[in-house]
Amino acid sequence: GENVEQHPSTLSVQEGDSAVIKCTYSDSASNYFPWYKQELGKRPQLIIDIRSNVGEKKDQRIAVTLNKTAKHFSLHITETQPEDSAVYFCAAGTASNFGNEKLTFGTGTRLTIIP
Amino acid sequence: NAGVTQTPKFQVLKTGQSMTLQCAQDMNHEYMSWYRQDPGMGLRLIHYSVGAGITDQGEVPNGYNVSRSTTEDFPLRLLSAAPSQTSVYFCASSYSGTTEAFFGQGTRLTVV
Repeated sequence: GENVEQHPSTLSVQEGDSAVIKCTYSDSASNYFPWYKQELGKRPQLIIDIRSNVGEKKDQRIAVTLNKTAKHFSLHITETQPEDSAVYFCAAGTASNFGNEKLTFGTGTRLTIIP
Repeated sequence: NAGVTQTPKFQVLKTGQSMTLQCAQDMNHEYMSWYRQDPGMGLRLIHYSVGAGITDQGEVPNGYNVSRSTTEDFPLRLLSAAPSQTSVYFCASSYSGTTEAFFGQGTRLTVV
């Protein structure tokens, strides 16, 4: 099955600086790569996703890049703010014609923004 | 429009007891799934369903059963609780396995 590795497990950055979180995946059939943000005591929520036919996607201060050849994808947060402090999860999903699609999550990165 | 509703929010069980975690969604999603979240291990898939009457195992299915008799509901049953099942459980729903997943608020389960 799919295996997703996520690094680093913790990350502290000064407010206003950029943060980068990296993930690798093992299954070349995976074609959907979402990122979820989970604030303390809350449920995970989707912040951005990318499909394998796209190399980069941006949404304001957040961007995701995908390198299918190397099987890795990254989350970039620019101009970080205190409200960016949270745990971030990457995931890889595989679509099939038989309905057995599954999301495999990474182990999470705890991002702390230092004021 | 409530989204995904999980009950209960907190539960304490004794070893060997059984219980059912409830999950309901009102978004007419075909795909529903259960995850457990443990420190340092991310979200691990327990069971999932691609539609009413269809379920399949995820990464960590042992000790759990599911059924999907309706599109809206996807209960998770713990057959004989063990301390290793102490965790936070999340139910999620989506149009498919490769579209945005909407999570419930989670159930914090402690088995003593």
